[in-house]
Amino acid sequence: AQSVAQPEDQVNVAEGNPLTVKCTYSVSGNPYLFWYVQYPNRGLQFLLKYITGDNLVKGSYGFEAEFNKSQTSFHLKKPSALVSDSALYFCAVRDQGRGYQKVTFGIGTKLQVIP
Amino acid sequence: ETGVTQTPRHLVMGMTNKKSLKCEQHLGHNAMYWYKQSAKKPLELMFVYSLEERVENNSVPSRFSPECPNSSHLFLHLHTLQPEDSALYLCASSQEPPFRGTGVSDEQFFGPGTRLTVL
Repeated sequence: AQSVAQPEDQVNVAEGNPLTVKCTYSVSGNPYLFWYVQYPNRGLQFLLKYITGDNLVKGSYGFEAEFNKSQTSFHLKKPSALVSDSALYFCAVRDQGRGYQKVTFGIGTKLQVIP
Repeated sequence: ETGVTQTPRHLVMGMTNKKSLKCEQHLGHNAMYWYKQSAKKPLELMFVYSLEERVENNSVPSRFSPECPNSSHLFLHLHTLQPEDSALYLCASSQEPPFRGTGVSDEQFFGPGTRLTVL
C-alpha cells in the first residue's frame, strides 16, 4: 500500500542554521512527491514537487528537496532557517501510474525555528 | 491567498443538525477535493471530483454527502454527525484532473478550512 512516513513530530532549529525535515515513502511504481506547508489557521500551501529528472528540486521561500530513489526519501532542506519558517510541513506521494492515482499525505512535522 | 475560499470558517452544530460547507475556487481548475484534518493524524482524503464527476469516495460515512454542481463549486452536506467528526475540513483544487497522470499540474491549492465542532 502507498504510504508516507515523517519520522519526526517536531524539528527544532536555531535561526540561521540549516534545516532538514525528513520524509520517506512507499509506492508500487515511480513516485510523484510533494511538500506542503501549513501556517496556523491556514490551509496547506504547495512548496515544491518532484516529477522526474534532476534529483534536487527547488521550491518556494528558498526550500529545496532531494529525491533519493535508493533510500525512498524526499527530505526537505533549507540552508538558513528563518523564524517565519515555523509551521507544519507535510510530505505527500502519488504513484505515476496511469489512471486515477490517489495522493497520500504524511502526518506532518512541526518545524520550530528558535530566534 | 490561494484562490480557494471556504465558508463558513467555523461551525458548531449539534448531532441532529443539518449544515453545509461551501468551497469555491477562482483558479479555473478541473479537480476539487475534500479532506479531513484531525490532530496527530495524516490528512484524510474524503472525496475527489474531476470535471464535476466524483472519482473518489474514500469509505466516507453517508452522513457526509458531497455535491459538485460545476467545476468552481464544491459542497459538503452534513447531517446527524458524531462528536468524532469534529475536525478541520479542507477543500482543495488542482488544474490537472488526478487521472491524467502526467504530474505536470497536479499540485493542490487549499482553502483555509472550516473548523467544525460537533456537540
